[in-house]
Amino acid sequence: AQSVTQLGSHVSVSEGALVLLRCNYSSSVPPYLFWYVQYPNQGLQLLLKYTSAATLVKGINGFEAEFKKSETSFHLTKPSAHMSDAAEYFCAVSRDDYKLSFGAGTTVTVRA
Amino acid sequence: EAGVAQSPRYKIIEKRQSVAFWCNPISGHATLYWYQQILGQGPKLLIQFQNNGVVDDSQLPKDRFSAERLKGVDSTLKIQPAKLEDSAVYLCASSLGRTDSKETQYFGPGTRLLVL
Repeated sequence: AQSVTQLGSHVSVSEGALVLLRCNYSSSVPPYLFWYVQYPNQGLQLLLKYTSAATLVKGINGFEAEFKKSETSFHLTKPSAHMSDAAEYFCAVSRDDYKLSFGAGTTVTVRA
Repeated sequence: EAGVAQSPRYKIIEKRQSVAFWCNPISGHATLYWYQQILGQGPKLLIQFQNNGVVDDSQLPKDRFSAERLKGVDSTLKIQPAKLEDSAVYLCASSLGRTDSKETQYFGPGTRLLVL
């Protein structure tokens, strides 16, 4: 079964600094990959998804992610962090069985 | 467009009691999912419905958990009897239909359950 590993359960960045969240997947066949964000006491909201078209995917709120098959990675970045980016971020993968498998999540805090 | 609605938002019960959660998906969405999210972990799929039929319930603890989706719209997830380890956030999600694996799932705000 496919799975994802998110490196780092907590990331702290300064406002205006680069945000980098790491996600690696395990799959012999390129899967579909997703990044979701969860604000406190809310459900998950889709940031972006990779569906085997362009390897660089742009999402909402200035986030983007790059699919790298050679590294089996799908890292999420944002050039300049904003206070409103403080949340928990989940990487997820799906394949032919239509199921979403989530990573454990990375909590982002933004320092003023 | 209204999102996925869930109620209640919070529930506190004692172990061995029963509890039920309700979900109303986005209008027109044929597929409905229930996830369990334990603190510090990512969501885990419990059950998936396509219209009013079950597609996947392999991760549902059927000795205590049950779910139904009457008329292919609203859904109810029940736990009876609850155990301490059931303390979690229960998320409902919906999508247009089981057309392909890249389809976006839309999540509700969740129900936070605490079992004492």
